[in-house]
Amino acid sequence: SQTIHQWPATLVQPVGSPLSLECTVEGTSNPNLYWYRQAAGRGLQLLFYSIGIDQISSEVPQNLSASRPQDRQFILSSKKLLLSDSGFYLCAWGTSATQYFGPGTRLTVL
Amino acid sequence: AQTVTQSQPEMSVQEAETVTLSCTYDTSESDYYLFWYKQPPSRQMILVIRQEAYKQQNATENRFSVNFQKAAKSFSLKISDSQLGDAAMYFCARTSSGNTPLVFGKGTRLSVIA
Repeated sequence: SQTIHQWPATLVQPVGSPLSLECTVEGTSNPNLYWYRQAAGRGLQLLFYSIGIDQISSEVPQNLSASRPQDRQFILSSKKLLLSDSGFYLCAWGTSATQYFGPGTRLTVL
Repeated sequence: AQTVTQSQPEMSVQEAETVTLSCTYDTSESDYYLFWYKQPPSRQMILVIRQEAYKQQNATENRFSVNFQKAAKSFSLKISDSQLGDAAMYFCARTSSGNTPLVFGKGTRLSVIA
């Protein structure tokens, strides 16, 4: 069966510090991968998605970036965090139009 | 923009009763997929049910069923025999066929009263 992991689970970072969130999927090959962000009390905002190891699409121009160093690994990064980057970050993998989500990372920028 | 609208920010239901959550969407496509996700306090998004637009039969998963009205672009979720564990945020979402990302509604917070 397929499993999706995210780490860390919780992160507190100062403004201006770098960020690296990791997502890995097990049990499937060449999955579609997605990063979403959920601000407190709000819906999900798509940040990036990747349908292949060399294909990453950005939905929101901002100080975040994404990379896919391996088929089943998706990294969300920032060189300098902003206060507005605080939120809950969810990674998802997809097949046949259905997406399955990881446990998420709660990021607080102080 | 192709949107998903959940007009009920909050709903409540008595334990063992039935509740229906509403969702409407906007699309110009004929082939697409619709979903309901549940987000409990742990905040992990859990897939509840999925509906393919080309299927006329409404999807059912145990106590969860949908009423899919394609012409009206409506996709409501019915929860029967509500349980305390059903208390959560529920999100309606749609995607086109293939690899396109999900478009989510803003969610409905469901409370279950014992």
